[in-house]
Amino acid sequence: SQTIHQWPATLVQPVGSPLSLECTVEGTSNPNLYWYRQAAGRGLQLLFYSVGIGQISSEVPQNLSASRPQDRQFILSSKKLLLSDSGFYLCAWEKTGNTDTQYFGPGTRLTVL
Amino acid sequence: AQKITQTQPGMFVQEKEAVTLDCTYDTSDPSYGLFWYKQPSSGEMIFLIYQGSYDQQNATEGRYSLNFQKARKSANLVISASQLGDSAMYFCAMREGGAGGFKTIFGAGTRLFVKA
Repeated sequence: SQTIHQWPATLVQPVGSPLSLECTVEGTSNPNLYWYRQAAGRGLQLLFYSVGIGQISSEVPQNLSASRPQDRQFILSSKKLLLSDSGFYLCAWEKTGNTDTQYFGPGTRLTVL
Repeated sequence: AQKITQTQPGMFVQEKEAVTLDCTYDTSDPSYGLFWYKQPSSGEMIFLIYQGSYDQQNATEGRYSLNFQKARKSANLVISASQLGDSAMYFCAMREGGAGGFKTIFGAGTRLFVKA
């Protein structure tokens, strides 16, 4: 069966510090991968998606970036965090070519102070 | 314009009763998918049910059913025999099958409270 991992689970970072959030998927190959952000009490905002190694599409211009160095690894980064980057970050995967269902990881709760 | 609208910010239901969570959507794409996710206080997003735009019958998964009314562009989630563990945020989402095929759009969510 497929599983998706995210770490860290929680993170408190000062403004201006760098960020690296990691997402890995097990039990499948060549998945489509997604990064979402959820502000407190709000819905999900798509940040990035990837259909393969090194292929990243950005949905929202901001100071975040994403990379996919390996097939089942998706990384969300920032060189300098802003207060507005605080939120709940969720990674999701789906089978390539299957536009049905995305499955989510446990999420990372980021607080920028 | 909002593509997914959930008009109920919060709802209460008595344990063991059924509850309907509303969702309306807007698309001109003939091929699309509709989803419902549950998000408990732990934060994880749990997939509940899926309905394809060409599906002839309403989707059902255990106690969850999707009341799909294509002409009205609504995809309401029905939870039968509510349980205390059903208390959570519920999100309706849509995936269009055309050029935006990789984008799943989420509604603002409905918080469901199940009373004992």
